[in-house]
Amino acid sequence: EPEVTQTPSHQVTQMGQEVILRCVPISNHLYFYWYRQILGQKVEFLVSFYNNEISEKSEIFDDQFSVERPDGSNFTLKIRSTKLEDSAMYFCASSEAGGRKKKQYFGPGTRLTVT
Amino acid sequence: AQKITQTQPGMFVQEKEAVTLDCTYDTSDQSYGLFWYKQPSSGEMIFLIYQGSYDEQNATEGRYSLNFQKARKSANLVISASQLGDSAMYFCAMRDTRGGAQKLVFGQGTRLTINP
Repeated sequence: EPEVTQTPSHQVTQMGQEVILRCVPISNHLYFYWYRQILGQKVEFLVSFYNNEISEKSEIFDDQFSVERPDGSNFTLKIRSTKLEDSAMYFCASSEAGGRKKKQYFGPGTRLTVT
Repeated sequence: AQKITQTQPGMFVQEKEAVTLDCTYDTSDQSYGLFWYKQPSSGEMIFLIYQGSYDEQNATEGRYSLNFQKARKSANLVISASQLGDSAMYFCAMRDTRGGAQKLVFGQGTRLTINP
């Protein structure tokens, strides 16, 4: 079965540094998502992306965050100036075009540790 | 606002027994989708099963079935003949279609431990 891939699997960075988390969604998918899971907590929606633009973002997704699809395959999440509270597992997901039954395929996640 | 509630933070079950993980939801939408995901200790999110609000039959996928009670707004996951490999976190989620993004709203999760 096709899968979503994410790199790196673990990123350690110092507070105030910029990080870029990378994702390769499934090739024929059109909707892309980032979710975050702070250790021991539930998974939270950050942002969705469709047709080369953000379609929705949560209140977590402030000006420090940005997403980009720089080419036909990659989907990136950038955090400009990381804070301690950004430490979490970040999941990329993708789904086919529309439809309530279309499941979201999750990548394996990137564990971000901010020190 | 859409909300998912999972009231069991942890469950302990003997191997080969069936287990039911509870999930209740709150939505004003008439059409919605409910999902269950498994998260093993390695961290990835594995899709298990989907139930649509208009589906007349309860969803089944192998050893997984969903006990969907629309009037009670519950979508409990049933795992039959549990195996040691079923030990993991289990998340119930609802698709929120407001805004067109179809994002998932997750519950807090239930940590299932299967004892040999």
